[in-house]
Amino acid sequence: GAVVSQHPSRVICKSGTSVKIECRSLDFQATTMFWYRQFPKQSLMLMATSNEGSKATYEQGVEKDKFLINHASLTLSTLTVTSAHPEDSSFYICSAPPAGTSLDQPQHFGDGTRLSIL
Amino acid sequence: QKEVEQNSGPLSVPEGAIASLNCTYSDRVSQSFFWYRQYSGKSPELIMSIYSNGDKEDGRFTAQLNKASQYVSLLIRDSQPSDSATYLCAVVNTGGFKTIFGAGTRLFVKA
Repeated sequence: GAVVSQHPSRVICKSGTSVKIECRSLDFQATTMFWYRQFPKQSLMLMATSNEGSKATYEQGVEKDKFLINHASLTLSTLTVTSAHPEDSSFYICSAPPAGTSLDQPQHFGDGTRLSIL
Repeated sequence: QKEVEQNSGPLSVPEGAIASLNCTYSDRVSQSFFWYRQYSGKSPELIMSIYSNGDKEDGRFTAQLNKASQYVSLLIRDSQPSDSATYLCAVVNTGGFKTIFGAGTRLFVKA
């Protein structure tokens, strides 16, 4: 079964709305989680590294005030897309390293969230 | 230069044939390399991981790594229509332990 749960799987909302996406590690603790964005027919682009108990590390070009990340517990990271606009429509995916492994090992991926802004 | 480069394809092979997918990377000291398969609208799933030079086989899949050439490949033997997907090459960036993905190669296996 899934070891990383991502919710919701699909969101359709109006421009200007803020949308929160949750990423949970099931049955293991994840001090680090990663958030990716994927546009149609393009690859996964790392947006930010979510660190439990501290600020997220954002990749160059990703607006931290636009994409708010909170990692308040060892099993939950949230990504909030604030004041979403149509250009934010994308497939958002989170991942976490398996319990007891280092960050250079394969990640567990959530099922992704398809965000559509009208 | 992109950090991880792949031919976008599409690569079309007949059922039963060998599909060969290639990837080059720019970080010379990378140590961890992965191949993921992604079906349309789904998240990636791990196919193979490889960490040392040479070949690694798992069922119908063989990953090949050549660190001197900064090249990693994936061979799929006896290709099946269900193998039709986008294959993503991923490399861990040793500078920050971030996984960097290539653009992916679309594979079509014709029945």
